[in-house]
Amino acid sequence: ILNVEQSPQSLHVQEGDSTNFTCSFPSSNFYALHWYRWETAKSPEALFVMTLNGDEKKKGRISATLNTKEGYSYLYIKGSQPEDSATYLCAFYSGGGADGLTFGKGTHLIIQP
Amino acid sequence: KAGVTQTPRYLIKTRGQQVTLSCSPISGHRSVSWYQQTPGQGLQFLFEYFSETQRNKGNFPGRFSGRQFSNSRSEMNVSTLELGDSALYLCASSSTPSDRVTGNTIYFGEGSWLTVV
Repeated sequence: ILNVEQSPQSLHVQEGDSTNFTCSFPSSNFYALHWYRWETAKSPEALFVMTLNGDEKKKGRISATLNTKEGYSYLYIKGSQPEDSATYLCAFYSGGGADGLTFGKGTHLIIQP
Repeated sequence: KAGVTQTPRYLIKTRGQQVTLSCSPISGHRSVSWYQQTPGQGLQFLFEYFSETQRNKGNFPGRFSGRQFSNSRSEMNVSTLELGDSALYLCASSSTPSDRVTGNTIYFGEGSWLTVV
């Protein structure tokens, strides 16, 4: 059974501050690591798909890094805004086993004005 | 383009009944995956369909089944419902299963909330 851990579980951040959180995954049989942003009552929205060790991706104020050798990815949000409040999910794909994405439980981010 | 459509959005069923959930993927997408989220758990992979064929299934009992039609719409069925089946069921749509590694966007629906009483 693949284990994907996200930390912290929840996070309160002041508007304007920057923040980051972690996704840990198995370092063997790595194919891809996905990040999603999920707002309450909406559908998860894809942020990044990362496949290469050392990958860095950026979308506006959000960026992510990937270390496949040690099995972790960081998601960074610069200058947090209230609209960044959401649950951020990471999902690991190993290409084998059940062949689906294995999700972490998410980091629930609340931006306080 | 129209997003992933899941119906019904909310439903309540009684233990022992069966339920069918529907997912219409984005036009042109042929791969549909289903996930279950129960309270306190991450999304759990149920199964994936591509071109009307089930490619693989997650660790769920045989009461969970699904199918895909020629227009790529997919249904999942849960028979003999148990209280523990109460969950959010999400459908994911992509062009092909390889989108998981190519970086092409995988789109999710808003889900079907099932409550079993």
